[in-house]
Amino acid sequence: EVRVVQSGAEVKKPGNSLKISCKGSGYTFTNYWIGWVRQRPGKGLEWMGVINPADSHTTYSPSFQGLVTISVDASFNTAYLQLSSLKAADTAIYYCARLDGFHYASGYQPCYFDYWGQGTHVTVSS
Amino acid sequence: QSALTQPASVSGSPGQAITISCTGTSIDGGDFKCFSWFQQHPGKAPKLLLYDVDNRPSGVSNRFSGSKSGNTASLTISGLQAEDEADYYCGSKTTDNTYIFGIGTKVTVL
Repeated sequence: EVRVVQSGAEVKKPGNSLKISCKGSGYTFTNYWIGWVRQRPGKGLEWMGVINPADSHTTYSPSFQGLVTISVDASFNTAYLQLSSLKAADTAIYYCARLDGFHYASGYQPCYFDYWGQGTHVTVSS
Repeated sequence: QSALTQPASVSGSPGQAITISCTGTSIDGGDFKCFSWFQQHPGKAPKLLLYDVDNRPSGVSNRFSGSKSGNTASLTISGLQAEDEADYYCGSKTTDNTYIFGIGTKVTVL
């Protein structure tokens, strides 16, 4: 069974840093990209970026470039989202999700988020 | 393009069919190959509903169907049920290999 499990809720003060984890199981971790999505309270989904666990190549949304860092430790089947210099506006639920898509003999084209983590609630408050 | 365009809300009575549209000029080069729909109940993570416009993952009811026309995709929910009350998001890979979501549509079952 494919599962994507995230680390637990966090409460941080402004200016602090935070690293959220996302562990995949039930599939070959390096065969599927992982993406990160933010959802502020009462708002919609915002795509933050993706990482290829096979080579750690990342692509960021222009809205989040330079503000967050996505990384991976394939030996632990885990991806990470690091947020620095936290502000109240970073208060949100952060989701990771596996990307499935079209698989070819030469690789695959990641297309859609098929398995989602349960979300990590992050509260930034003084 | 910052987000795909969806109606803010759609409502219907039990048993009726409703349709949610999603429009965007940067969808996936225009062929919708990497276009999907998600359902999100309050307090829950999003769930993949449809991918590649009209393909359902295992376990998703066949009351959910998708279509496309021009630069607009649509999600139709047939035989509306109380459990369908949720937020629905469209999502797509874009022409510059990033990803984008719709603004979300709140479905209310009257």
